[in-house]
Amino acid sequence: DQQVKQNSPSLSVQEGRISILNCDYTNSMFDYFLWYKKYPAEGPTFLISISSIKDKNEDGRFTVFLNKSAKHLSLHIVPSQPGDSAVYFCAAPAWRDDKIIFGKGTRLHILP
Amino acid sequence: GAGVSQSPSNKVTEKGKDVELRCDPISGHTALYWYRQSLGQGLEFLIYFQGNSAPDKSGLPSDRFSAERTGGSVSTLTIQRTQQEDSAVYLCASSWDRVTDTQYFGPGTRLTVL
Repeated sequence: DQQVKQNSPSLSVQEGRISILNCDYTNSMFDYFLWYKKYPAEGPTFLISISSIKDKNEDGRFTVFLNKSAKHLSLHIVPSQPGDSAVYFCAAPAWRDDKIIFGKGTRLHILP
Repeated sequence: GAGVSQSPSNKVTEKGKDVELRCDPISGHTALYWYRQSLGQGLEFLIYFQGNSAPDKSGLPSDRFSAERTGGSVSTLTIQRTQQEDSAVYLCASSWDRVTDTQYFGPGTRLTVL
């Protein structure tokens, strides 16, 4: 049972345009979400997070939106740059189990 | 070094052999996590150490998998009698304390079981 779902395995976006990566979750107890970025042969690195008391968090070119009623969050990257090509993981801490649950990731390709 | 390190970076082994994977967390981090990423899959949680508490082993896929953390620092993940389905990248991460603290990942160990 996947509690954090990233339904798009891959996404291609033209350089300079907006990249939108989506994530859905099923557990209504989740109240904090993180996005990690992973390059090949490297470990994931933290990108941005959002608490459920907010519906938006912005950090430079990266903005995460949270829609609690739809149990949906999205990561927007504007403008997209070649270095953004990576796999993006959505994650949520499961407090009771004291672990973080990751989605399967979305591979983003930024096209020149 | 300042980051999380893992060794070896690559390991090729024969089915049925035992392997040991090592993780050196960032100094001062009390929380340490092991994950597995199989081909085409996301990050699968394996085990979590928090300070001197008993580890949360709920993610270990079978009793062939075990992990320990000596002195609250270095951790080893051991896979006994490896199977081909164990082939994956094994990632270690550490964080200061709570599960929401940013996790810093090592580069991973790519395990191939022939």
